[in-house]
Amino acid sequence: DTAVSQTPKYLVTQMGNDKSIKCEQNLGHDTMYWYKQDSKKFLKIMFSYNNKELIINETVPNRFSPKSPDKAHLNLHINSLELGDSAVYFCASSATRDFYNEQFFGPGTRLTVL
Amino acid sequence: QKEVEQNSGPLSVPEGAIASLNCTYSDRGSQSFFWYRQYSGKSPELIMSIYSNGDKEDGRFTAQLNKASQYVSLLIRDSQPSDSATYLCAPYTGTASKLTFGTGTRLQVTL
Repeated sequence: DTAVSQTPKYLVTQMGNDKSIKCEQNLGHDTMYWYKQDSKKFLKIMFSYNNKELIINETVPNRFSPKSPDKAHLNLHINSLELGDSAVYFCASSATRDFYNEQFFGPGTRLTVL
Repeated sequence: QKEVEQNSGPLSVPEGAIASLNCTYSDRGSQSFFWYRQYSGKSPELIMSIYSNGDKEDGRFTAQLNKASQYVSLLIRDSQPSDSATYLCAPYTGTASKLTFGTGTRLQVTL
C-alpha cells in the first residue's frame, strides 16, 4: 500500500533515555515533516526536509535531531528524554509544487516518558 | 492573537443537518488552505484543499475561502455520525514553507 509509515507505534521509556522514531513514505514525495501533538491536541511543526535538506527547524530543543538518509526516509532521534516530551509525534510528506502543499500523515508514534 | 483560530466546540448537530466549521487566520501571505479530519487516537486525514476565493465542493463537503476577510470555512451537508471528529484548519504559507494548524473544532453528530 502507498502510505506514510512510522515505527514504533508506541514508545514508553524512562526520563534521560535516548530514543529514535523512524518514518518512511512510498508516495514519491520530496518533502517530509515531523509534527508534535501535545496533550491539548495542538499540532505543531518541528522540522521539515526537502530532498534531504533541512528547510524548517522550529524552536525545538537541540535534544531533538532529525536525519534524512534519503527522500523517502526521515528519522527523529531524541536525547535525554524529559517528561514534557510525552506526546504523539506524526511524520508527514508532500510533493513540493509551489503552494499546492497537500501533506499526508503517518499513523503517529505515541511517546510516553516516565 | 493566535495565528489560526477555530472554535474548539464541541459543535453538536443532528444527523442530516449541515455542520458549519469556521476558521480565521492572521498571515495574509497564506496561499492555500487545507481542512483535515482527525478521529480520536488517529492521524489527521486531508479532506479538502482550497486555493482561490470562493467555494469548492467535493461530495458532501464544501470549502469556502475569503482571503480579504482572512476566513475559511467548511460545510458538511447531510451530517452523519461518522463525521464526528475534530476538524483542523491549516493555512499554508509558501515563503515559510509550512502549514500552521488551528487547535481544531470538535464536531459531534447526534442521532
